[in-house]
Amino acid sequence: ETGVTQSPTHLIKTRGQQVTLRCSSQSGHNTVSWYQQALGQGPQFIFQYYREEENGRGNFPPRFSGLQFPNYSSELNVNALELDDSALYLCASSPGRIMNTEAFFGQGTRLTVV
Amino acid sequence: AQKITQTQPGMFVQEKEAVTLDCTYDTSDPSYGLFWYKQPSSGEMIFLIYQGSYDQQNATEGRYSLNFQKARKSANLVISASQLGDSAMYFCAMRETGANNLFFGTGTRLTVIP
Repeated sequence: ETGVTQSPTHLIKTRGQQVTLRCSSQSGHNTVSWYQQALGQGPQFIFQYYREEENGRGNFPPRFSGLQFPNYSSELNVNALELDDSALYLCASSPGRIMNTEAFFGQGTRLTVV
Repeated sequence: AQKITQTQPGMFVQEKEAVTLDCTYDTSDPSYGLFWYKQPSSGEMIFLIYQGSYDQQNATEGRYSLNFQKARKSANLVISASQLGDSAMYFCAMRETGANNLFFGTGTRLTVIP
């Protein structure tokens, strides 16, 4: 088991609402990356946080925002939820900005928007 | 163009047999890395094996080996002596030079038959 934990594991929200997902990083890791995995698809990169700063972003609108804390845990916030935001949200903790073999993923948060 | 293509939505293999999961990639970057992950129904992405574009030998990790054919831009995963616990989704992913994110394929669902 990795030291990366995500909460909550499951969540149901109504369209238009806001949601916050949380990710704790592995001990010794200073970087957290977030991915969205729609049903039947591979994960897609949302953004990365390195030492509390956003360090790269995928093709996601500004209503997807994040935060990283001094202990390197991270939050993903999504405003004005849409039905298409329903997905598994995965975070990955790594010891640096470059994704390598020492990155570990959490078990994900499954978000359903109704 | 898709950076990672996995053409097999589903594969079946008899227990104790070997199976090959296909992956082709597209990049103009001379330096890149290729990853394979296993995703059981719990959702967590589990790292299996890595191949760097300049590695001279094909990567191996226990029962996992990577059939890397650079000229064909393919990086197929070979699982030997399949076990029931190998039943899961398998994703191929690529990281380009200095990139802080991975590009994933759409995955292959492997089912091991007793």
